[in-house]
Amino acid sequence: DTEVTQTPKHLVMGMTNKKSLKCEQHMGHRAMYWYKQKAKKPPELMFVYSYEKLSINESVPSRFSPECPNSSLLNLHLHALQPEDSALYLCASSQEPGADTQYFGPGTRLTAL
Amino acid sequence: RKEVEQDPGPFNVPEGATVAFNCTYSNSASQSFFWYRQDCRKEPKLLMSVYSSGNEDGRFTAQLNRASQYISLLIRDSKLSDSATYLCVVKIWLYFYGQNFVFGPGTRLSVLP
Repeated sequence: DTEVTQTPKHLVMGMTNKKSLKCEQHMGHRAMYWYKQKAKKPPELMFVYSYEKLSINESVPSRFSPECPNSSLLNLHLHALQPEDSALYLCASSQEPGADTQYFGPGTRLTAL
Repeated sequence: RKEVEQDPGPFNVPEGATVAFNCTYSNSASQSFFWYRQDCRKEPKLLMSVYSSGNEDGRFTAQLNRASQYISLLIRDSKLSDSATYLCVVKIWLYFYGQNFVFGPGTRLSVLP
């Protein structure tokens, strides 16, 4: 199983909503990542978890709150989003924090109203 | 200056053509280098890693020049299925924080019949 899964595929939320994006991998990978990708732009790193601990937070607004409940799961909790937060949110994993190969999930396409 | 820069594109080439993409990076702490491809509305997928000795995978050849901080990708005998955005990616090791993958802006390739 070399797959990273993400749910939901699409999400529309208003400014007062609270929602969560989920990411799962069963490859035994110990590093997991959240990226944000706007249209016609490259992915931008948001958070890195190494061995279930947050190791990188790339100055992301507090309305985005990551959580890694165990080594297979990564969540991104969303609250009071702004329209500029509309993007494709990609999850990725790699075997170890220093590993070269990242496996990406299909992404969640988020529309913030 | 952006950390990773690429040819702006788009590149429109006929089937069977040879096309070359260029990429430069600015951070001398960059450790590993990759080419990813991303199809429209899909997640990025690793095409190949790039080594100083150069490496080839079928019709694809990648080169790295550390002294010039320059990476290239050559596609020979291009196929319609090669149409995608090609992303140059650099891995930077941040001592206390772990690794950071930085994506270039991407170069769009359209192979025409």
